[in-house]
Amino acid sequence: QKEVEQDPGPLSVPEGAIVSLNCTYSNSAFQYFMWYRQYSRKGPELLMYTYSSGNKEDGRFTAQVDKSSKYISLFIRDSQPSDSATYLCAMSGDAGGTSYGKLTFGQGTILTVHP
Amino acid sequence: GAGVSQSPRYKVAKRGQDVALRCDPISGHVSLFWYQQALGQGPEFLTYFQNEAQLDKSGLPSDRFFAERPEGSVSTLKIQRTQQEDPAVYLCASSPREGRAYEQYFGPGTRLTVT
Repeated sequence: QKEVEQDPGPLSVPEGAIVSLNCTYSNSAFQYFMWYRQYSRKGPELLMYTYSSGNKEDGRFTAQVDKSSKYISLFIRDSQPSDSATYLCAMSGDAGGTSYGKLTFGQGTILTVHP
Repeated sequence: GAGVSQSPRYKVAKRGQDVALRCDPISGHVSLFWYQQALGQGPEFLTYFQNEAQLDKSGLPSDRFFAERPEGSVSTLKIQRTQQEDPAVYLCASSPREGRAYEQYFGPGTRLTVT
């Protein structure tokens, strides 16, 4: 079983919908939780990160971390066709641990927002 | 400013051929990471440099994979005797400081095909 599990989708929604993307993980040492967006034939681009538990909002994007359940989410409000991409969750641990610094990614969820 | 650049963008190698993939990190970034992204999967960690020191190479899949960063800037990932399991996109990321997992900037990747 992988340390980070993510439903690959694909997910198809109409423009303006609220999108919910999720990941679960098994390594309790993870403290940094990131969401990346990756367009076709491009490298991943950081959208948001959260340290430890809690919520974080940035424009149309909200990230949530529930460490007790080992579950993280990304919500996209008012989705746009330009949001169509692969969304990757990624995690990392604190200093002193084997997961420090390097990222462990989920499989990625393919999202299509159609007009 | 300039981001992380990688060359070549595409590489076709015959099985058994050696290949060298280059990464130019963002100027001044001390940390450099290599990841391997198979088709339809999330990136997987290969190795990590802090300046010229290779601090973690636990993700290299075999002794055919070798990475170096001799002057603490440009890095090269070398794959000897390419095999059928090696095709993937090889991503390089750099970070301005050690341990900032949330501050890794990715290049566009090199797509390796083995014939």
